[in-house]
Amino acid sequence: DGGITQSPKYLFRKEGQNVTLSCEQNLNHDAMYWYRQDPGQGLRLIYYSQIVNDFQKGDIAEGYSVSREKKESFPLTVTSAQKNPTAFYLCASSIVAGGLNTEAFFGQGTRLTVV
Amino acid sequence: GNSVTQMEGPVTLSEEAFLTINCTYTATGYPSLFWYVQYPGEGLQLLLKATKADDKGSNKGFEATYRKETTSFHLEKGSVQVSDSAVYFCALSEGSSNTGKLIFGQGTTLQVKP
Repeated sequence: DGGITQSPKYLFRKEGQNVTLSCEQNLNHDAMYWYRQDPGQGLRLIYYSQIVNDFQKGDIAEGYSVSREKKESFPLTVTSAQKNPTAFYLCASSIVAGGLNTEAFFGQGTRLTVV
Repeated sequence: GNSVTQMEGPVTLSEEAFLTINCTYTATGYPSLFWYVQYPGEGLQLLLKATKADDKGSNKGFEATYRKETTSFHLEKGSVQVSDSAVYFCALSEGSSNTGKLIFGQGTTLQVKP
């Protein structure tokens, strides 16, 4: 079945550590996105990528980094510079072509907790 | 900038009651509009969408109509079930770009009691 797989489902990080969240898709979508969700708030865009080897900052990119070496993969690293990383992280992908605004497909999310 | 505003929750209804969740937006150009649903501990699933003015999106008994004159995209269902309990997000995708970026409202929690 086609879809988006995020791992791990739960992740615990110690203060000062970098951690990497995995996101893989087999939908052959060009575009991929990382969103952060905090309780009682909507989703906020961290980074997005429309093509391999290219990505752009979203609204809250500080303290995060990404790479897009393969079309299927878009890992997110939460660095020690991110002061409040405890949140639910969602990866998404979409077909983006010729101005069409198709829907995004989401993974099941990774819940990151700082301990 | 572009933004989405949803009615605050939680919304608590009895089974078979009528549901309305209000959503209004601010955007330049002609955005596409979406409703997503999130069940506890899961990611978001697309519920319905509309890509131009006066379009009606529908799925699983839910409906929403793209109203450009009132910049609204209210979600409705005639008879809710306990299984509809979830968080509902209204979102827009900017029409002037083809990045696919979504702007979300803050979400509305729906609780349906038997």
